[in-house]
Amino acid sequence: QKEVEQNSGPLSVPEGAIASLNCTYSDRGSQSFFWYRQYSGKSPELIMFIYSNGDKEDGRFTAQLNKASQYVSLLIRDSQPSDSATYLCAVRVGAAGNKLTFGGGTRVLVKP
Amino acid sequence: GAGVSQSPSNKVTEKGKDVELRCDPISGHTALYWYRQSLGQGLEFLIYFQGNSAPDKSGLPSDRFSAERTGGSVSTLTIQRTQQEDSAVYLCASSRGGGADHEQYFGPGTRLTVT
Repeated sequence: QKEVEQNSGPLSVPEGAIASLNCTYSDRGSQSFFWYRQYSGKSPELIMFIYSNGDKEDGRFTAQLNKASQYVSLLIRDSQPSDSATYLCAVRVGAAGNKLTFGGGTRVLVKP
Repeated sequence: GAGVSQSPSNKVTEKGKDVELRCDPISGHTALYWYRQSLGQGLEFLIYFQGNSAPDKSGLPSDRFSAERTGGSVSTLTIQRTQQEDSAVYLCASSRGGGADHEQYFGPGTRLTVT
């Protein structure tokens, strides 16, 4: 079992719809969770982070964390063609943990 | 402000040669990380520097890989006797500190191709 798992996609959504991305992790000691967006040929760009159970909203993005079930999700509301990218889930283990462990990413395609 | 910078952006080298990749973190960031991203392997951690502490080298794939950070700022990743499997994008990231609530920001990466 991989430490951080994501569906590779592609997740195809129509413009204006909600894109829902899921990520599960295996280490119960994981404390910090991050979503990065990566356009083809570019480096990852941090779009959301969440440390506590529940929801966190930032603009059109909402991150949801459920530590008991060991999953974190990302919702993209009013999806735009510019949201077409690969979304990477990253997890950091422990309070003083340093490295991020990444999932393989979910490719999202927003169709006009 | 300025983000993480890396150089060169692209590097093509012959198998067996040594290469040096450079990273300049965001000003004021004390933690610096190296990752690499290759097809089929995803994004994997290589090494982490935090202040004057001993680096976490647990992700380095072999002893051909080494890194240093001079003056708590710029870092250089060195790969000796490069192999074709070293071909990847090498990404540097920095954060304000090494704690769990410090977000990491990535540089543009160096694409290394070993022929």
